Amino acid sequence: QLVESGGVMIQTGGSLRLSCAASGFTFDDYAMHWVRQAPGKGLEWVSLITWDGGHTFYADSVKGRFTISRDNSRNSLYLQMNSLRAEDTAFYYCAKGTLPYYYIDVWGRGTPVSVSS
Amino acid sequence: SYELTQPPSVSVSPGQTARITCSGDVLANRYVYWHQQKPGQGPVLVVYKDRERPSGIPQRFSGSKSGTTVTLTISGVQAEDEAGYYCQSTDSSGTYPLFGGGTKLTVL
Repeated sequence: QLVESGGVMIQTGGSLRLSCAASGFTFDDYAMHWVRQAPGKGLEWVSLITWDGGHTFYADSVKGRFTISRDNSRNSLYLQMNSLRAEDTAFYYCAKGTLPYYYIDVWGRGTPVSVSS
Repeated sequence: SYELTQPPSVSVSPGQTARITCSGDVLANRYVYWHQQKPGQGPVLVVYKDRERPSGIPQRFSGSKSGTTVTLTISGVQAEDEAGYYCQSTDSSGTYPLFGGGTKLTVL
């Protein structure tokens, strides 16, 4: 139901855009999240966007560098990642929010991002 | 440091009961969702709203709550239950998701 794409190996300071294609539910009824997992580490929430795109929130670790967006006409979620750092290396998961929006009930399989110098 | 505290690891033999706890002050008035993650896979929701089970999740998965501690119980553990388990709630302001540090369940 959620399929991420766009993950690559990239150099420090570079930019990358992740995408997530949603299906099987009414996309524009729900908030959406990005969550990441560094190698051997736990889950870290990255960002969320409300159902209409009207509100966005970010973890302090990515604030000012990452931008979340969505296109409800395409049932798609995006994450624009700029000024990438080595510590951004992780699997990035797209996830569906519930009602209320801050819980998560559906996950994608993830896409890997590797940042190196 | 995490505002939701989980034990790093739990080990049980097949057929036994595994209990994984998640503690945090915010849980006094927030729900916990539990997510299972097997190696190389994305997480899967196994319990929501402290004790509810999504369709398709085996009945051996259950949840309970006491004060500021929520417990995921897996009765009659099977080898396929070996995975990482993460509790998830929200920050104290109810703005964004918060995850526990995760618990690795080992089936001996």
